[in-house]
Amino acid sequence: DAKTTQPPSMDCAEGRAANLPCNHSTISGNEYVYWYRQIHSQGPQYIIHGLKNNETNEMASLIITEDRKSSTLILPHATLRDTAVYYCIVRVVGSDYKLSFGAGTTVTVRA
Amino acid sequence: DTGVSQDPRHKITKRGQNVTFRCDPISEHNRLYWYRQTLGQGPEFLTYFQNEAQLEKSRLLSDRFSAERPKGSFSTLEIQRTEQGDSAMYLCASTAPDGTGRNNEQFFGPGTRLTVL
Repeated sequence: DAKTTQPPSMDCAEGRAANLPCNHSTISGNEYVYWYRQIHSQGPQYIIHGLKNNETNEMASLIITEDRKSSTLILPHATLRDTAVYYCIVRVVGSDYKLSFGAGTTVTVRA
Repeated sequence: DTGVSQDPRHKITKRGQNVTFRCDPISEHNRLYWYRQTLGQGPEFLTYFQNEAQLEKSRLLSDRFSAERPKGSFSTLEIQRTEQGDSAMYLCASTAPDGTGRNNEQFFGPGTRLTVL
């Protein structure tokens, strides 16, 4: 799997959008970008994934650059409950089932 | 959908003892995964099952570790002769079968926190 690079931490104000960057410059054409988050003392939780088109669901939006070398996870209106470690992962769907987590970005949402 | 459950949630043991953890995946999920997470790190893959077959094992899974999924439902992870370095959170996850539309998503349990004294 390609490696990803994320900032170790970031702060965000409650009610504002949180934009979490991820670099994956060696991503292959068949690798998807996944985002998971882990709230303290809980197991990781799936957020969203995409291949090359932008994706949106009830939790977040995923913006992938045209060259696919980086992406941004957007939490549109951050709440205190969004405080967590956010992991950006790339993997090939259908052949490599395990997830390779890095250290992630610790996001702290402040009131 | 009751989610993935793990038992126990916490385990404290003395060095050299054996411990066993249980994971109950979401009903009808055919793939089951074990991960280990130490403080400040992301989860590390240990092993995965498709139904009852163990299809992949990480090099992290030394010969003191064994995992089973005898009937393709719940799974157990046993650590023999525990060492202090085994202290970690042990996470279990499961995914739905291919073709169900949600097979890309791993659902994680709350984990079992092991402390080896």
